[in-house]
Amino acid sequence: DTAVSQTPKYLVTQMGNDKSIKCEQNLGHDTMYWYKQDSKKFLKIMFSYNNKELIINETVPNRFSPKSPDKAHLNLHINSLELGDSAVYFCASSQGVSGGADTQYFGPGTRLTVL
Amino acid sequence: RKEVEQDPGPFNVPEGATVAFNCTYSNSASQSFFWYRQDCRKEPKLLMSVYSSGNEDGRFTAQLNRASQYISLLIRDSKLSDSATYLCVVNGGGSTLGRLYFGRGTQLTVWP
Repeated sequence: DTAVSQTPKYLVTQMGNDKSIKCEQNLGHDTMYWYKQDSKKFLKIMFSYNNKELIINETVPNRFSPKSPDKAHLNLHINSLELGDSAVYFCASSQGVSGGADTQYFGPGTRLTVL
Repeated sequence: RKEVEQDPGPFNVPEGATVAFNCTYSNSASQSFFWYRQDCRKEPKLLMSVYSSGNEDGRFTAQLNRASQYISLLIRDSKLSDSATYLCVVNGGGSTLGRLYFGRGTQLTVWP
C-alpha cells in the first residue's frame, strides 16, 4: 500500500487555467504538507495542516489554496496558472507538528507543466 | 541568504570510494537535522537523522558541529546504488519552528 499518494502524477495545462492536485496518506499522521520543487531543485514548503487546521502558510500567491477535508487528505487548488508555477509539487506527512523531530514521508510528486 | 547551503557537486566517484558532503545552516536556533536522499524523478526519502554526538548507519556517518553550524555526511565503500542527490535538511528554530528547510542537494554518481 502506498503511504502517501498524489494524483495526478503529471499535469500539463494552459496558462490561465485552474487545476487541483490531490493527496492522501494512510499512515494515520496528523500533519500534512505541500512542497514545491522548482527547476533548480530547491524544495520549499508552501503549506502545512495539522488535523485539518492550517499551521504553516509561507509566502505563496493567494492563487494557491489548500484544503483539508480530513486529516488524511490535503488538496491543492491553483487558480489562474502561470508559467512560473511549472514545478514538481510534493505532498508529505508526519506524525506531529514539529516538522523537526518527526520524519516526513513524501508522496511521489505531481509534475505540473504550464504552457 | 539561504537557510541551508550545500556543496552542489556533482561528485563522480568509483565504486568503493569514500565521499563526503557538507552543508551549513543559518538558523542557530535549529534543533533537528537530517540527510534525505532523492533519486532522479522520485520523492525525497529520509536517509538518516543527524545527532549532536555524530551517528553512524552502516556505511553512512553523519556529523554535526553546532558551533560552526555545519553538517556532514560520509559515505564509505560507495555502491552503484548510492547514486542519487543528497539533501541536507534542517528544521526551523524559533519563530520558524515546524518548517523543514532543504538544501539544494549534492548529486552523487558512483561508476563501476
